Amino acid sequence: DAKTTQPPSMDCAEGRAANLPCNHSTISGNEYVYWYRQIHSQGPQYIIHGLKNNETNEMASLIITEDRKSSTLILPHATLRDTAVYYCIVRGGRDDKIIFGKGTRLHILP
Amino acid sequence: DGGITQSPKYLFRKEGQNVTLSCEQNLNHDAMYWYRQDPGQGLRLIYYSQIVNDFQKGDIAEGYSVSREKKESFPLTVTSAQKNPTAFYLCASSRQESSYEQYFGPGTRLTVT
Repeated sequence: DAKTTQPPSMDCAEGRAANLPCNHSTISGNEYVYWYRQIHSQGPQYIIHGLKNNETNEMASLIITEDRKSSTLILPHATLRDTAVYYCIVRGGRDDKIIFGKGTRLHILP
Repeated sequence: DGGITQSPKYLFRKEGQNVTLSCEQNLNHDAMYWYRQDPGQGLRLIYYSQIVNDFQKGDIAEGYSVSREKKESFPLTVTSAQKNPTAFYLCASSRQESSYEQYFGPGTRLTVT
C-alpha cells in the first residue's frame, strides 16, 4: 500500500504557483520523499526527491516539514503543459520498491 | 537519443493467448521494472530485475513471466493465466547507484477480448 495521502484533484491558474500537498505521517527516518508526474497516456517522469531539507531543481521545489510528516511540491509558474497526475512517494533504501498511489490530478486553467 | 522503447503502443489479443511485450533501453541501466496501470489507478509493480539473469516478483506477478538475458532487454509475457490482462503496461529502468530516478517508456496498451 502507498504510504502517502494526496488530494485526488486540484486546479491552478496558468502562471500561478501550483502547491501540491502530501501527507506521510508514518514516514521513518531513512525514508525519502519522491515526486513523479504522469501526463495522460505517457510513462511517469521523475521530478524531485528529498530527505529532510528543502530541495529545488529546474522543474520544482520540494518543501518538507520539520517533523517530516508532510511535504509540498511547488511548481513556481504553472503552464498548461503541467497538467498531469502528480504522485508523492515515500521510499527507503535503493532496494526498496517505489509504490505509486492514485496521486493528485492537477488541472491548469487558462 | 538514449531512452526506453516499448513496442507496440497498442496491442490486441484474443483471450487464452499468451502475448509478449517488448522493452528495450540503451541507457546502460542495470535495473529494469514492469508496472501495470488500470484506469484511474496508480502503478503496480509486476516484476523487476536488478542485474542480468536475475529478477524478482513484484506485488502482482501472478499470470506474468519475464526474462533478462541481456542488459538492454526485459520482455514481459502476459500468459493466459492472467485473469484481467487488459491494462496499460509500463517499463522502466534505473541506474543501481541512483535508483530513486526511474526512467519510463511510453507504455503499451494491451486489450484482450
